Amino acid sequence: EVQLVEAGGGLIQPGGSLRLSCAASGFSVSGHHMTWVRQAPGKGLESVSIIYNGATTHYADSVKGRFTISRDNSRDTVFLLMNSLRADDTAVYYCARLHSSTWGIDYWGQGALVTVSS
Amino acid sequence: DIQMTQTPSSLSASVGDRVTISCRASQSLSSYLNWYQQKPGKAPKLLIYDVSTLQSGVPSRFSGRGSGTDFTLTIRSLQPEDFATYYCQQSYSAPYTFGQGTKVEIQ
Repeated sequence: EVQLVEAGGGLIQPGGSLRLSCAASGFSVSGHHMTWVRQAPGKGLESVSIIYNGATTHYADSVKGRFTISRDNSRDTVFLLMNSLRADDTAVYYCARLHSSTWGIDYWGQGALVTVSS
Repeated sequence: DIQMTQTPSSLSASVGDRVTISCRASQSLSSYLNWYQQKPGKAPKLLIYDVSTLQSGVPSRFSGRGSGTDFTLTIRSLQPEDFATYYCQQSYSAPYTFGQGTKVEIQ
């Protein structure tokens, strides 16, 4: 059974850093494209970052230069390092797997809440 | 970035109604269009990919169609468990942008 479990969310002050992790089970992250999607309170979904199975990465303009996506294939874990956090980064962050050919998101984690506030 | 526009932003309907949600892209997507359902406090769930292919386990009352820039999601006979927010998403070009969502509420 495919599962994605996020960890590392919490309350952080503006300008601070936080690293989210996403532990995958039931498949190998090395063979799949993985993504982080966020949802601000009461708002819609926003694609934040993608790491393709060849290790190419992509970032939304809103986080480019501040966030870094990476993965540890030996631990089947994906990370999102978030620096210079701002109040508008407050959101639930979902780790998710992209379908290999359609690029739609076929599996989602339960989400990790990140609150940026002083 | 490709902009996705969903209409309406919300609608009220009754059990048994036929419901249609529209999604328009700012450029052609080929067939890279997906639909998701999200219930409060839960992660989204993939309903349809490649415009019209139902994800495994999704009831056949859900259907998708369209091409190019215009797409629709139809729920043939609305059931109580279908009251939720629906999102379209393009997976043609990163970032894989979402529509703003359509909330389907009980009338």
